[in-house]
Amino acid sequence: AQSVTQLGSHVSVSEGALVLLRCNYSSSVPPYLFWYVQYPNQGLQLLLKYTSAATLVKGINGFEAEFKKSETSFHLTKPSAHMSDAAEYFCAVSEASGGGSQGNLIFGKGTKLSVKP
Amino acid sequence: NAGVMQNPRHLVRRRGQEARLRCSPMKGHSHVYWYRQLPEEGLKFMVYLQKENIIDESGMPKERFSAEFPKEGPSILRIQQVVRGDSAAYFCASSRGGEPQHFGDGTRLSIL
Repeated sequence: AQSVTQLGSHVSVSEGALVLLRCNYSSSVPPYLFWYVQYPNQGLQLLLKYTSAATLVKGINGFEAEFKKSETSFHLTKPSAHMSDAAEYFCAVSEASGGGSQGNLIFGKGTKLSVKP
Repeated sequence: NAGVMQNPRHLVRRRGQEARLRCSPMKGHSHVYWYRQLPEEGLKFMVYLQKENIIDESGMPKERFSAEFPKEGPSILRIQQVVRGDSAAYFCASSRGGEPQHFGDGTRLSIL
């Protein structure tokens, strides 16, 4: 069965500092991996997706994530945090390429990112 | 191009009443998913539908919950005889085949 673990329910960084949000997955088949961001009282917005084309995936708003099969990880990073990055971030796994068609998304519990001025 | 539209944004019901949550997918999307988000939890899959068909309902509670996606009109998630434990945010997502899911802003359901 697929599962996702996000280490750290809360992460706090200073503005301009590196952002690192951790995600580990388990899957019996080559997975498709996603990071979504949720702002208060809003839905989820896709940041980036891994679909086996390249291990380093670049997303929107300066975020990127690296797929490491040996570590079963897909950590999200951003070199320099901005105040507007404060939100909750969810890692998700699917056996289907778009998290659609043949499969649903399995989400981690989320990590709330705070950015201090 | 409008995104996934959910209504109402907030819904208050008393115990024992029925709740109906609506979701209009993005234009051109024929796949609809419903997820439930409890406080301090990630989203949990409930049901996956295509037009007039339920494809996967493995995440749906066995009783009181039902979903449909008719040929015309929005997808509906229906909860009968609501209880306090049904209080949550319910999110709808839509996609084209093989493409990532796009989410609506959710319906916050509160049970008095």
